[in-house]
Amino acid sequence: NAGVTQTPKFRILKIGQSMTLQCAQDMNHNYMYWYRQDPGMGLKLIYYSVGAGITDKGEVPNGYNVSRSTTEDFPLRLELAAPSQTSVYFCASSPPGSDEKLFFGSGTQLSVL
Amino acid sequence: DQQVKQNSPSLSVQEGRISILNCDYTNSMFDYFLWYKKYPAEGPTFLISISSIKDKNEDGRFTVFLNKSAKHLSLHIVPSQPGDSAVYFCAASGNYGQNFVFGPGTRLSVLP
Repeated sequence: NAGVTQTPKFRILKIGQSMTLQCAQDMNHNYMYWYRQDPGMGLKLIYYSVGAGITDKGEVPNGYNVSRSTTEDFPLRLELAAPSQTSVYFCASSPPGSDEKLFFGSGTQLSVL
Repeated sequence: DQQVKQNSPSLSVQEGRISILNCDYTNSMFDYFLWYKKYPAEGPTFLISISSIKDKNEDGRFTVFLNKSAKHLSLHIVPSQPGDSAVYFCAASGNYGQNFVFGPGTRLSVLP
């Protein structure tokens, strides 16, 4: 069982560069999420999606873009990387329903220098 | 302003004793609460949840207590084991699962 797979695990970017963080899940979950975790802070929601073709902003969307063309994939795009985007990024998915719990990937450690 | 607070950044407990991790929230609209455990270099994994219609939920060695009037929940681990050493996140939601708000986490160390 792969669950939620994130790539890459580590990445260093220069200021102004762009990159895409990949996320794929094989559990046929409708809901997918991107979170970032800064040191000493809780996870903050960047974007989420309730199904293919539907995305919405979370708490901290500025500087990021997402797309959801399939149920399985939910890539996160960073345009013009800034040092403030240095963080650990987690992708998660969940099935709809009243007993929802998130299934997380192992994270991407991103440094912008 | 943090809506979900975990005021103890770290906690150390002897193996076999009880671990109590606390979480406070400010938003009275939250009605579903979860605890996640996170090991280094891994994503958080779901541990236990509780909805606002209950005040207690048990799963093996783990029990979560909810005090709605105090806007407080706690996670009890009995007995604590060295493998429980991890960071524990409290999370809350106001609409059964969408847009969880996470606390900053408490690092639990269980000493042999």
